[in-house]
Amino acid sequence: DGGITQSPKYLFRKEGQNVTLSCEQNLNHDAMYWYRQDPGQGLRLIYYSQIVNDFQKGDIAEGYSVSREKKESFPLTVTSAQKNPTAFYLCASSTWTLSGDEKLFFGSGTQLSVL
Amino acid sequence: AQKITQTQPGMFVQEKEAVTLDCTYDTSDPSYGLFWYKQPSSGEMIFLIYQGSYDQQNATEGRYSLNFQKARKSANLVISASQLGDSAMYFCAILLGGYSGAGSYQLTFGKGTKLSVIP
Repeated sequence: DGGITQSPKYLFRKEGQNVTLSCEQNLNHDAMYWYRQDPGQGLRLIYYSQIVNDFQKGDIAEGYSVSREKKESFPLTVTSAQKNPTAFYLCASSTWTLSGDEKLFFGSGTQLSVL
Repeated sequence: AQKITQTQPGMFVQEKEAVTLDCTYDTSDPSYGLFWYKQPSSGEMIFLIYQGSYDQQNATEGRYSLNFQKARKSANLVISASQLGDSAMYFCAILLGGYSGAGSYQLTFGKGTKLSVIP
C-alpha cells in the first residue's frame, strides 16, 4: 500500500545532541513537508521541498535542517540549536500543485521529547 | 498574512446528532483553498473535505459538508449523524492560490477543535 512512513514513533534527545527523524514516501509525490505540532496548537511548517536537491524554509526553520537527496526521502534533523524541541512532528507529501482534489498526505508522526 | 481562526477549543455532541465546527479565515488573495483535517488520538492527519474559493457549490463528502460563506470568510464543517469514531481534533487550513515562483504552496492551519461524541 502507498503511504508515508515516519520513524521512530517516539524519540528522546539529550542536551546538546542532534537527532534525525525519518520520513519515507512511496506515493511518487514531488513535494514533501515537515510540520511541528505543540499541544493545543495547530501545525506549523518547518521546511518543505518541491523537488529533489531543493528545499525551502517554512515559518519556524531555526534549529532544524533537512536534506532531499532522493524523491522518496526527506529526513529532518533537530539540532542542538533548537532549544525547545519537545513536540509532535508530522511529515507530509503532495503532488507538485496543491489545489482542487490534491491534498497533503500525512505520516503517523514522531513524538520527540528531551531527556 | 493569511490567518485561520477556530474559536471552539472543544465541542460535545450526542451520538447521531449533527455538529458544526467553526472556521473563519483572513486573506485578501482572491484565489485560495480551504481544507479540513481530522486528527484522532493516533496522531495521523486525515483529509476530510476541500473547498475552492471559486467553487459555486458547498463541498460535500459523505457525512461531511462545508458551509462556505465567502462574504463572511467562514468555512464551517458540518458533520451529520455523529459517530463515536468522530471523536478527534479537527483542523481547518487555508492554502493561497497562485504560483509565487518560489514553489511555495503552504497550508496554514488553525489551532483546532476537539470534538467529543457522547454515547
